[in-house]
Amino acid sequence: EVQVVESGGGLVKPGGSLRLSCAASGFNISTFIMNWVRQSPGRGLEWVSSISDNSHHIYYADSVKGRFTISRDNAKNSLYLQMDSLRAEDTAVYYCARDLTSGWDGGNYWGQGTLVTVSS
Amino acid sequence: DIQMTQSPSSLSASVGDRVTITCQASQDITNYLNWFQQKPGEAPKFLIYDASNLETGVPSRFSGNGSGTDFTFTISSLQPEDIATYYCQQYDDLPYTFGQGTKLEVK
Repeated sequence: EVQVVESGGGLVKPGGSLRLSCAASGFNISTFIMNWVRQSPGRGLEWVSSISDNSHHIYYADSVKGRFTISRDNAKNSLYLQMDSLRAEDTAVYYCARDLTSGWDGGNYWGQGTLVTVSS
Repeated sequence: DIQMTQSPSSLSASVGDRVTITCQASQDITNYLNWFQQKPGEAPKFLIYDASNLETGVPSRFSGNGSGTDFTFTISSLQPEDIATYYCQQYDDLPYTFGQGTKLEVK
């Protein structure tokens, strides 16, 4: 069974940092593009970042570019999101999502999410 | 960015009804469209890819159609467990973008 489990969320002050992790099981992430998507009441569902299987292709939403860094460790079957210079508008549930195939499919299989709250 | 516009934003229907949601893209996305279902307190669940292909294990009462800019999502006979918010998502181009959601309620 395909499963991804996010962790690392929490309460952080504006300007602070947080590192999210996503542990995969039931499949080998080395053959899939992986994604981060977030959801907040004010912004709805928002794609955040994607990383190719070999990490050669990385993309970010304009809203997080320069502040967030996506990475993966295929040996550990894990995905990460380093979030720096956090703002109140980054408050959201963050989901890790695996693509359906080895192509760019938008992120199909989602975890349960981890809540990030940016507040003083 | 490609804008995805869903309608209606909310819908009330009776068990057994046929329900249709529309999703319009601001430009041609061919058939690169996913549909998701989200129940309260849960993560979105993937239902349909490539506009009309049902994910394995998804009941056949769910279907999708369309290409280019206009798409539909249909539940042929609404069941109580289908109460949820439904989202479309385009993956033709980055940034991937989502519709604002359609909240489905039972009358």
